Amino acid sequence: AQKVTQAQTEISVVEKEDVTLDCVYETRDTTYYLFWYKQPPSGELVFLIRRNSFDEQNEISGRYSWNFQKSTSSFNFTITASQVVDSAVYFCALSGDYKLSFGAGTTVTVRA
Amino acid sequence: KAGVTQTPRYLIKTRGQQVTLSCSPISGHRSVSWYQQTPGQGLQFLFEYFSETQRNKGNFPGRFSGRQFSNSRSEMNVSTLELGDSALYLCASSLVGSSYEQYFGPGTRLTVT
Repeated sequence: AQKVTQAQTEISVVEKEDVTLDCVYETRDTTYYLFWYKQPPSGELVFLIRRNSFDEQNEISGRYSWNFQKSTSSFNFTITASQVVDSAVYFCALSGDYKLSFGAGTTVTVRA
Repeated sequence: KAGVTQTPRYLIKTRGQQVTLSCSPISGHRSVSWYQQTPGQGLQFLFEYFSETQRNKGNFPGRFSGRQFSNSRSEMNVSTLELGDSALYLCASSLVGSSYEQYFGPGTRLTVT
């Protein structure tokens, strides 16, 4: 069975601080894909990144960066110089059996 | 390119009634998945369809059913509604399945009274 754990329920930061969201996953598959999604107050899930299990290179996209470590089954997400617009719930997800298994989500609140 | 559309956006139903939710995927996407989101259980997988075939079903009672049409549009149906079915129902589409980027619609907010 696949499982995704996001240990942080809520994180509150002041604007311009960096924030790191942790994600740990469990799977028996040798090939799998990991995702991060953002859910702003409007409710729609917004795709952020997809990473396959063979690519352990870190990725940076603007203020967002991701650190994938297969040895520790982790796929952490960092927002650099956070902004108020980053306030949302962030979900980590793992693909398998034609579905995504989501973590419980981390609510990020960025205060001005 | 138009995104995933879901109708209706909001629904209020009474216990015991049934409801049908609709999802139109992004043009060219053949896989449609449905998820239920509640504060207590989070995001839970309902089912996935590809080319009109259900490839996987989540751990939900038989009251939850779905189908996909030849144009990839999908519907899900919930019969004999219960209070616990109140949730945000999200539809996602992707080219061929969950290994690819799944793009979500705005959801249908179902309230059962």
